[in-house]
Amino acid sequence: GQNIDQPTEMTATEGAIVQINCTYQTSGFNGLFWYQQHAGEAPTFLSYNVLDGLEEKGRFSSFLSRSKGYSYLLLKELQMKDSASYLCAGPGGGNKLTFGTGTQLKVEL
Amino acid sequence: NAGVMQNPRHLVRRRGQEARLRCSPMKGHSHVYWYRQLPEEGLKFMVYLQKENIIDESGMPKERFSAEFPKEGPSILRIQQVVRGDSAAYFCASSPGGDSYNSPLHFGNGTRLTVT
Repeated sequence: GQNIDQPTEMTATEGAIVQINCTYQTSGFNGLFWYQQHAGEAPTFLSYNVLDGLEEKGRFSSFLSRSKGYSYLLLKELQMKDSASYLCAGPGGGNKLTFGTGTQLKVEL
Repeated sequence: NAGVMQNPRHLVRRRGQEARLRCSPMKGHSHVYWYRQLPEEGLKFMVYLQKENIIDESGMPKERFSAEFPKEGPSILRIQQVVRGDSAAYFCASSPGGDSYNSPLHFGNGTRLTVT
């Protein structure tokens, strides 16, 4: 089974850097996903980590530590359009993903 | 290459009516997943299907809910005798392979069901 925890909401300033944390408990771990979801829209894939370390993809980076059951999503040079919910997800047993409740990020001027 | 298509985007039903939600996966994807999202909550897995087969329905309520993915046509999530608690956004996702945790899921824009 798996529990995924992430903060409910965060606020940051345009142009700044923000780190969104995710902790999980899992057996049979097979990677951790991050999705972005704007209000009223579909979740869109951001990143997938299966090995420890940092994966960088433009302004977004994702980090994983399997031994600590910990991941974070790092957003640099924040823009207003980055205001969204960020969902951490991992294997929920079998072939389904278990999602956290999401972190609502608000970017302010 | 069209993404995952869901319709309708919005659906309003009165208590006791039936709701039918449709999902056409991305081209080349033969695996479909249905998730439900309540306000202020995360996505909850409901069911995983391949063509003509239900693979995992562990997240589906035992009564009133059913899903299918026929050989031809879209996947259908059917809710009979809807109640107010069924009001939610229902998202469909597809993938090319059976392991959702090894290949990213592609989500549709969802169907927002409102039960009055």
